[in-house]
Amino acid sequence: GAVVSQHPSRVICKSGTSVKIECRSLDFQATTMFWYRQFPKQSLMLMATSNEGSKATYEQGVEKDKFLINHASLTLSTLTVTSAHPEDSSFYICSAFTSGQYNEQFFGPGTRLTVL
Amino acid sequence: AQKITQTQPGMFVQEKEAVTLDCTYDTSDPSYGLFWYKQPSSGEMIFLIYQGSYDQQNATEGRYSLNFQKARKSANLVISASQLGDSAMYFCAMRGVQGAQKLVFGQGTRLTINP
Repeated sequence: GAVVSQHPSRVICKSGTSVKIECRSLDFQATTMFWYRQFPKQSLMLMATSNEGSKATYEQGVEKDKFLINHASLTLSTLTVTSAHPEDSSFYICSAFTSGQYNEQFFGPGTRLTVL
Repeated sequence: AQKITQTQPGMFVQEKEAVTLDCTYDTSDPSYGLFWYKQPSSGEMIFLIYQGSYDQQNATEGRYSLNFQKARKSANLVISASQLGDSAMYFCAMRGVQGAQKLVFGQGTRLTINP
């Protein structure tokens, strides 16, 4: 099956710093990737759709200047949380879409961000 | 707009019993897909089963089956012969034509299998 990796798996940073999270499709090319945020005991909320070679599409209420998304290649999308604050602490999950049997999204293992 | 509703925050089941996790949906798209994912405590999202809106038969994947009732807009997940390893969060999700491959998730159900 299609494999998606994320790095780092965990990150702790100080308030005010920026953190970059990488999402890679390991064995397939993904023109479209998605970034989700999941707070404890809650569901996944879509933050943005990342399209290779073009600007990301952000969901309503998500600050594009705070959550910078770059999809520079067909196998890599990055999410940068700029000037992170404690309320940004969350579980961030990426997924990549590939046209398979069910056209499903394949999810990365997630990145747990803690902002002190 | 698309909406997924999972009304069971938590379910407790004895090992080897069958369990049904409820999912209802709302959409104006004529064509859509319904997914179930399992999320263990480690956090990864594991794809379980898929049902297309035009599929004539209910989907099955091993111990997982989907009870799809289109008129009632429900897509319940049935797990047969539950195992301790089935304890996890379960999310129902929908993808519509207008959503451009985006998934909308329900609130999730935490399933606990008791020995």
